[in-house]
Amino acid sequence: DTGVSQDPRHKITKRGQNVTFRCDPISEHNRLYWYRQTLGQGPEFLTYFQNEAQLEKSRLLSDRFSAERPKGSFSTLEIQRTEQGDSAMYLCASSLDPGKGQYFGPGTRLTVT
Amino acid sequence: AQSVTQLGSHVSVSEGALVLLRCNYSSSVPPYLFWYVQYPNQGLQLLLKYTSAATLVKGINGFEAEFKKSETSFHLTKPSAHMSDAAEYFCAVSEKGNQFYFGTGTSLTVIP
Repeated sequence: DTGVSQDPRHKITKRGQNVTFRCDPISEHNRLYWYRQTLGQGPEFLTYFQNEAQLEKSRLLSDRFSAERPKGSFSTLEIQRTEQGDSAMYLCASSLDPGKGQYFGPGTRLTVT
Repeated sequence: AQSVTQLGSHVSVSEGALVLLRCNYSSSVPPYLFWYVQYPNQGLQLLLKYTSAATLVKGINGFEAEFKKSETSFHLTKPSAHMSDAAEYFCAVSEKGNQFYFGTGTSLTVIP
């Protein structure tokens, strides 16, 4: 069990550019979640995958955001035409059973200048 | 609709004193409930979870939480605070395990 990993750990981009983040969950975990966390706030749910199927997506999520989980393994989160308001920590979590809780990665800190 | 309220964004206790962090939730069905801890510059770590097996749940580092359905609460306690407990604590709820809702967090300071 190597834990949830995320890449990159930090990303600085200019407004209007596209960015892509990667999450590698714990290998046997079929559930994968993306969150966004800003300073002083708790994680905000973005989207949820069960295996390769994206089953839930936050209504607050702009259509500039898209996520994939091909083959039910790693996942990517893409933000198109980034805005300064997108600056945040993007967290990935995985689980095998929702009742047992989620395991979080270290996050990707995005700064949009 | 699911939501979580954490009363008190900042809590200070003396070393050795009782820690009480409050969490109230709204849910239309018996939910999954969790507490997570986030140490400075670290990721979120699962502290404990409630899944209806018992109303009093024990977690890591001496923390425990009690589920009270009538009060829709899941408060976190620790009998004796340690300096190493200083961190941000988040309560989270989910009805089906597909969407999780987190509170805004409580920052715990332990005074020597």
